[in-house]
Amino acid sequence: EVQLVESGGGLVQPGRSMKLSCAASGFTFNNYDMAWVCQAPKKGLEWVATISYDGSSTYYRDSVKGRFTISRDNAKSTLYLQMDSLRSEDTATYYCARRGYGSWAFDYWGQGVMVTVSS
Amino acid sequence: DIRMTQSPASLSASLGETVNIECLASEDIYSDLAWYQQKPGKSPQLLIYNANSLQNGVPSRFSGSGSGTQYSLKINSLQSEDVATYFCQQYNNYPTFGAGTKLELK
Repeated sequence: EVQLVESGGGLVQPGRSMKLSCAASGFTFNNYDMAWVCQAPKKGLEWVATISYDGSSTYYRDSVKGRFTISRDNAKSTLYLQMDSLRSEDTATYYCARRGYGSWAFDYWGQGVMVTVSS
Repeated sequence: DIRMTQSPASLSASLGETVNIECLASEDIYSDLAWYQQKPGKSPQLLIYNANSLQNGVPSRFSGSGSGTQYSLKINSLQSEDVATYFCQQYNNYPTFGAGTKLELK
């Protein structure tokens, strides 16, 4: 069974940093591109970043470029999101998601982790 | 960025009814479109990919269609467990989502 379990969220002050983790199991992690998608309270979904299966390529939405870094450790089957210079508008639930084969839809999602940026 | 305009924003329907949700892309996305279902407090679940392919385990009352810039999700014979918010998403370019359609029972 595919499982994605996020951790590392919580309350953080504006301008500070936070690192999210996503532990994957039930599939061959290093065969799949992975992504982070966020959802502000009572709002829609926004793609944040994607990393290729081998970590060689990364892609970001404009609003997080230069502040967020997506990475992965294939030996540990774990995806990361380092978030620096956090802003109040980064407050959201962050989901780890697997990008499928054959289509680039997100075929599995984690349960999500809440990040609140507030003083 | 490719803009996805989803309609309606909310919808009320009766059990057994057929429901249609539309999604319009700001440019041709060549059927690189997915539909997701999100229940309150839960993460999104993939229903449809490549515009019309049913994800494994999803009931056959869900179907997708469309091409070019116009796409739709159809739910036949609405069930109580279908109450949720539905999102479309394009992946022809950097992923973008529609704003969602909240489906409630009448």
